[in-house]
Amino acid sequence: AQKVTQAQTEISVVEKEDVTLDCVYETRDTTYYLFWYKQPPSGELVFLIRRNSFDEQNEISGRYSWNFQKSTSSFNFTITASQVVDSAVYFCALSEWRSSNTGKLIFGQGTTLQVKP
Amino acid sequence: DAMVIQNPRYQVTQFGKPVTLSCSQTLNHNVMYWYQQKSSQAPKLLFHYYDKDFNNEADTPDNFQSRRPNTSFCFLDIRSPGLGDAAMYLCATSRVRGDTQYFGPGTRLTVL
Repeated sequence: AQKVTQAQTEISVVEKEDVTLDCVYETRDTTYYLFWYKQPPSGELVFLIRRNSFDEQNEISGRYSWNFQKSTSSFNFTITASQVVDSAVYFCALSEWRSSNTGKLIFGQGTTLQVKP
Repeated sequence: DAMVIQNPRYQVTQFGKPVTLSCSQTLNHNVMYWYQQKSSQAPKLLFHYYDKDFNNEADTPDNFQSRRPNTSFCFLDIRSPGLGDAAMYLCATSRVRGDTQYFGPGTRLTVL
């Protein structure tokens, strides 16, 4: 069965610290997609990144970077030099090709990141 | 800017009084989704439309219905809201199934 686990419920850091949010997934599909979304206090889910299962290349976008490792079924997210504006709930999600007739996103429980000034 | 719009942002209704939430999109995407997100939980898919084809999740209560009169608009109807239906309702769109989903700002529903 498909499942996404974000073991860190809450993380608190001081501004300018680096922080890594962990995501571990389970799937029987060989083709799947992984996502990260940010949910600030306003409530909107903001898309950050999409990765397909055949592309293990790590990605960097400004202060954000993602480490995808199929061997450990992990898709971790690192924020470098964190800022107060990064404070939000971050969701990791999985979409399987087998179930792409729905495109259903399987979300982790989310990690609440608090960045203190 | 192309976007997903939800109205109203906040909705208060009485127990048992029908309520309709609205979603519109300017992305011209084929797929529209409705998610329910309760406090401190992950979003949960209720149903989605692929064009006019309606797809209900197996565990979505009958109390929830949806309409998609055209490509741009999709509505969520809650026929008899209960206290347990108080939540944030998120609309999302994607170009095709399995593609990236883009979310609207959500409607926070309060049931009195």
